[in-house]
Amino acid sequence: NAGVTQTPKFQVLKTGQSMTLQCAQDMNHNSMYWYRQDPGMGLRLIYYSASEGTTDKGEVPNGYNVSRLNKREFSLRLESAAPSQTSVYFCASSEFGSLNTEAFFGQGTRLTVV
Amino acid sequence: LAKTTQPISMDSYEGQEVNITCSHNNIATNDYITWYQQFPSQGPRFIIQGYKTKVTNEVASLFIPADRKSSTLSLPRVSLSDTAVYYCLVGGAAAGNKLTFGGGTRVLVKP
Repeated sequence: NAGVTQTPKFQVLKTGQSMTLQCAQDMNHNSMYWYRQDPGMGLRLIYYSASEGTTDKGEVPNGYNVSRLNKREFSLRLESAAPSQTSVYFCASSEFGSLNTEAFFGQGTRLTVV
Repeated sequence: LAKTTQPISMDSYEGQEVNITCSHNNIATNDYITWYQQFPSQGPRFIIQGYKTKVTNEVASLFIPADRKSSTLSLPRVSLSDTAVYYCLVGGAAAGNKLTFGGGTRVLVKP
């Protein structure tokens, strides 16, 4: 079982460039999440998707867009990258509908915007 | 989601027990308490979850008093490999699907 897979693992962008971070999970989870983590800080929620076909803003959505392509895949797009978006991005998935709130995380994408 | 407060950092030594207390004064009736561990350059991973009293697994114990306004994660006999950031989360299905993390507690285990 692969769990949560993120691609790419590393990326360097120039200011103003765009890119899409991909995330896929094979656990048949309904909910998926995108976080960013700046050095020495906790995780901040960017967007989440409670179920296929729905997306909602998290704590820091500005500068990002998301697409819940199907139940497995949840992508994060930076339309015009800025140096302030340099961070490590984590995707996660979990199953809600029960009270078990365990979330599973990918290995992260380290993004540098120069 | 209920707001949580936990210490920013803690130091310990190998073989000692580490206890991290998390305050969550406005926890809702249906909320569960969940702890995650994060190593450098990795995503967080689930450690333990509880609703009330005490929960124990192979990694940790979670103590929850009757009023549920706080909880304590206990790591027995820590080793250097337990150096990590530990996050306390409070919520559940009733809170919707918004899973938010606070700043966590940075635990440093020294030899």
